[in-house]
Amino acid sequence: TQLLEQSPQFLSIQEGENLTVYCNSSSVFSSLQWYRQEPGEGPVLLVTVVTGGEVKKLKRLTFQFGDARKDSSLHITAAQPGDTGLYLCAGVRNSGYALNFGKGTSLLVTP
Amino acid sequence: KAGVTQTPRYLIKTRGQQVTLSCSPISGHRSVSWYQQTPGQGLQFLFEYFSETQRNKGNFPGRFSGRQFSNSRSEMNVSTLELGDSALYLCASSLDGGGTAQYFGPGTRLTVL
Repeated sequence: TQLLEQSPQFLSIQEGENLTVYCNSSSVFSSLQWYRQEPGEGPVLLVTVVTGGEVKKLKRLTFQFGDARKDSSLHITAAQPGDTGLYLCAGVRNSGYALNFGKGTSLLVTP
Repeated sequence: KAGVTQTPRYLIKTRGQQVTLSCSPISGHRSVSWYQQTPGQGLQFLFEYFSETQRNKGNFPGRFSGRQFSNSRSEMNVSTLELGDSALYLCASSLDGGGTAQYFGPGTRLTVL
């Protein structure tokens, strides 16, 4: 059973469109991280959120941690081809324990 | 700082063989974690080493083992390879581990024939 469920699994959009991807769980997390992975590379950390309700912005990317710390979302405004990649959320339930990863959302942005 | 390095980048083995993968963490990072990534299961945690001690372990059979050296470099070993072990094996380092932000290497692509 996957601890973190990500949706959608695949997303193909055109440049300039907005999109939101979701990361949901029935468990509470002490913190949650978002990564982006490009083909042939390891995941790269985008952001860490730790407080329920927290919103963080990274240029055109907006990350939100749910009030109950069970879910998170990533919103991309005016997507660009360079945003193409696999977006992974990962959470830790208790400090000192390992990260649990979702299966990811594969995003393709075409010109 | 140099990033996390993994060697080799690609490996082809046959069933029944064993394999050793190597990971050099970012300088100063004491925690090294290993993950297996497959299209069907995604990223699955194998184990974490911190100051030469295994601190966390995922749900993998005993054929998967690892160790960490005093310079924080880590190796992962898989014995009696099975077809299902074909995957991208990723190593990640962090300052303190335990679920803190991970810095990943490019991975080792293992193919078992």
